Amino acid sequence: GAVVSQHPSWVICKSGTSVKIECRSLDFQATTMFWYRQFPKQSLMLMATSNEGSKATYEQGVEKDKFLINHASLTLSTLTVTSAHPEDSSFYICSAGATNSPLHFGNGTRLTVT
Amino acid sequence: QKEVEQNSGPLSVPEGAIASLNCTYSDRVSQSFFWYRQYSGKSPELIMSIYSNGDKEDGRFTAQLNKASQYVSLLIRDSQPSDSATYLCAGPGNTGTASKLTFGTGTRLQVTL
Repeated sequence: GAVVSQHPSWVICKSGTSVKIECRSLDFQATTMFWYRQFPKQSLMLMATSNEGSKATYEQGVEKDKFLINHASLTLSTLTVTSAHPEDSSFYICSAGATNSPLHFGNGTRLTVT
Repeated sequence: QKEVEQNSGPLSVPEGAIASLNCTYSDRVSQSFFWYRQYSGKSPELIMSIYSNGDKEDGRFTAQLNKASQYVSLLIRDSQPSDSATYLCAGPGNTGTASKLTFGTGTRLQVTL
């Protein structure tokens, strides 16, 4: 079945630095991937839709210059949190699906900004 | 108005009982819905997808879709403590495809011994 790999699973960084999170589809090609953020005890919030070979589509309220998304190949999308601040500490999850199949999620990345 | 709504719970059921989780949606054109299970601190895991009216069974899980009434439900038979998790309803999606989904807030299920 569809396998989505996300790396790293957790990261701690200092305020002001940038962090890159990778999302890979291991056994299928994904023209579209989705990035979510989840704060403790809250629901998944869609941040952006990552489109292979074109610009990402961001949800309302999500800063595109702060959350940089690159989807340069059919199997890899990256999310870079730039100039991270403590309020960016959250659980970031990507999802993708093969053609004619439901979405599957990566294992998530827990980001802690100190 | 949210597109997908769920009761946040917690829903508490004794071990061996049937757990019934419900979800309503507002988009009448919706084609497909999905149920995900999320354990604390983990990412969601797909457990059921349903595309047409009626019931779909997979092991102890049964998904029910009623497009006329705009609700989708998940029944878990013979509930086990390992079923304790948050269950997320997601939709609407284009049938079978990896499309953008809206998630409900999730219902927390507690299966007690």
